[in-house]
Amino acid sequence: SQQGEEDPQALSIQEGENATMNCSYKTSINNLQWYRQNSGRGLVHLILIRSNEREKHSGRLRVTLDTSKKSSSLLITASRAADTASYFCATDRNSGGGADGLTFGKGTHLIIQP
Amino acid sequence: DTGVSQDPRHKITKRGQNVTFRCDPISEHNRLYWYRQTLGQGPEFLTYFQNEAQLEKSRLLSDRFSAERPKGSFSTLEIQRTEQGDSAMYLCASSFSILAGETQYFGPGTRLLVL
Repeated sequence: SQQGEEDPQALSIQEGENATMNCSYKTSINNLQWYRQNSGRGLVHLILIRSNEREKHSGRLRVTLDTSKKSSSLLITASRAADTASYFCATDRNSGGGADGLTFGKGTHLIIQP
Repeated sequence: DTGVSQDPRHKITKRGQNVTFRCDPISEHNRLYWYRQTLGQGPEFLTYFQNEAQLEKSRLLSDRFSAERPKGSFSTLEIQRTEQGDSAMYLCASSFSILAGETQYFGPGTRLLVL
């Protein structure tokens, strides 16, 4: 089945630096979403980008989508200690209008060092 | 708090026992999803409701698992004859949409440990 794959699996940077995470997927999609998960907690929705969009911004977040390469990136600028978390990309299957469950990758574990 | 809520937050049970989890979605949301997440992995889709109708089930959802959403509001996920491999975080999400692929809002999850 389709699955997003995040890269890198783990990333450690200094506070104030930018963090970039990538996601690849396998089949056509309606949209791609990024979620954040703090250790042992539920997922928090960050941003949704539709298949006809190429770039989207939300605060310190910037997401790009390249449907020709089946890939997306999440950039967090001016990182803070509170950004330490796991980040997941999630895709839905383009199944002609049906609402399918999301398919998640294994996530990127981001550590922001003070 | 008007977000998705789940109960209980933690459950420890012995192998072979039955457990039931509850999810209360955001009130105006017509769609409700269940996912399972094991350590170090992303969530995996289990099943999905539109209003009270269960429209899709993953092959991960064995016969021991059953989910209901009787009045199109809250949902329950029951696991019968639990096995150690059922230990995981069970996440519920909801969304409101006419079209597919809208934002899903997740609850805090129920962490299950089967001894």
